[in-house]
Amino acid sequence: SAVISQKPSRDICQRGTSLTIQCQVDSQVTMMFWYRQQPGQSLTLIATANQGSEATYESGFVIDKFPISRPNLTFSTLTVSNMSPEDSSIYLCSVEGLAGGGRSYNEQFFGPGTRLTVL
Amino acid sequence: GQNIDQPTEMTATEGAIVQINCTYQTSGFNGLFWYQQHAGEAPTFLSYNVLDGLEEKGRFSSFLSRSKGYSYLLLKELQMKDSASYLCAVIYGQNFVFGPGTRLSVLP
Repeated sequence: SAVISQKPSRDICQRGTSLTIQCQVDSQVTMMFWYRQQPGQSLTLIATANQGSEATYESGFVIDKFPISRPNLTFSTLTVSNMSPEDSSIYLCSVEGLAGGGRSYNEQFFGPGTRLTVL
Repeated sequence: GQNIDQPTEMTATEGAIVQINCTYQTSGFNGLFWYQQHAGEAPTFLSYNVLDGLEEKGRFSSFLSRSKGYSYLLLKELQMKDSASYLCAVIYGQNFVFGPGTRLSVLP
């Protein structure tokens, strides 16, 4: 399993500003994932962050709006740029790892999330 | 798209049994997960199915039919703490795709 921490846990921001969310994992992982979960909705993948290369963005998400850094195998940041109230959401970092307990498949482990409110 | 469908909301009584269904597009299927998410918390792993049949884990069981593109999560002896959202997630290739989630309310 993996233990993931995120900072900040929550923030309230003004329209037009930017916020950088940090994600730290307690073990080295190849891929880290950033999700958005809007109020009452399920998780939507924003991008996959690979160490040493550009992040891969899903349809509807662009690098200018959500720049991602992945400087090493245990850390990543997601920036929400030029924020608007529509960006109010929970942002979750996740990694894939062996499920453990004798199981032979990978599962996704999630960080606690960052609750962002844009005024 | 992968068209993962789940009921939006369900309500059940403490001590009862509830079945939460998930249907998905079968092309590219590589496994299915169920996650539980309490309000304000991150999703946590419940079960994994890649072969047809029933996987039982205590009060929770998960079933998969690959040919039908269908899975369900069965919760027995419901407790108040089971009130949460339940997310079906399908692996297509190497990508996790989450369904819309089912919000379960357990009433006394």
